[in-house]
Amino acid sequence: EVQLVQSGAELKKPGESLKISCKGSGYSFGDHWIAWMRQTPGKGLEWIGLINPSDSDIRYSPALQGQVTISADKSFSSASLEWSSLKASDTATYFCARRKVDQDAFDIWGQGTVVTVSS
Amino acid sequence: DIQVTQSPSTLSASIGDRVTITCRATLSISYWLAWYQQKPGKAPKLLIYKASALESGVPSRFSGSRSGTEFTLTITSLQPDDVATYFCQQYNSYVFGGGTKVEI
Repeated sequence: EVQLVQSGAELKKPGESLKISCKGSGYSFGDHWIAWMRQTPGKGLEWIGLINPSDSDIRYSPALQGQVTISADKSFSSASLEWSSLKASDTATYFCARRKVDQDAFDIWGQGTVVTVSS
Repeated sequence: DIQVTQSPSTLSASIGDRVTITCRATLSISYWLAWYQQKPGKAPKLLIYKASALESGVPSRFSGSRSGTEFTLTITSLQPDDVATYFCQQYNSYVFGGGTKVEI
């Protein structure tokens, strides 16, 4: 079965660091770009960025560039999203998703990671 | 940036009804739009890509179409399992619509 499995829910304080992960299985991980999205009740679904696990080429949303770091390890079939200093506004559900080979649509999604940032 | 405006935000229909959801792009995006279904507490699921291509495994009662910058998702005969929120996503900068909540 083709799937992406994300790490568990996180409760953090403002200013703390965090790294969440997304592990693929059932397909050749390097053959598909992996995207990160976030979802909040107020702003809906937002694209954060996209990484090619084969060569770590990364595209960031201009609105979020500099606020997060995306990485991938093809040998572990894993991608990550990292913050160095969390803010309350980072509270959201984060999804990783697999980009179709020849379309900018996302056919496989992780189950989501809930990140709560609160003092 | 190209934006997409999705309507309606909420839709109430009966089992068996034909349901239509619309996304309008601010500029031409050709056929580059996808549709997703999301149920509460779950991840989005791809239904349609490239405006009208049905994703593998998706029931044929779902279809997509395009007329200029207006895109439509149609459910030909609404089923109880279709209760969900539906999003469009344009390929340019991966912008998502605001969602349409479909209720029975």
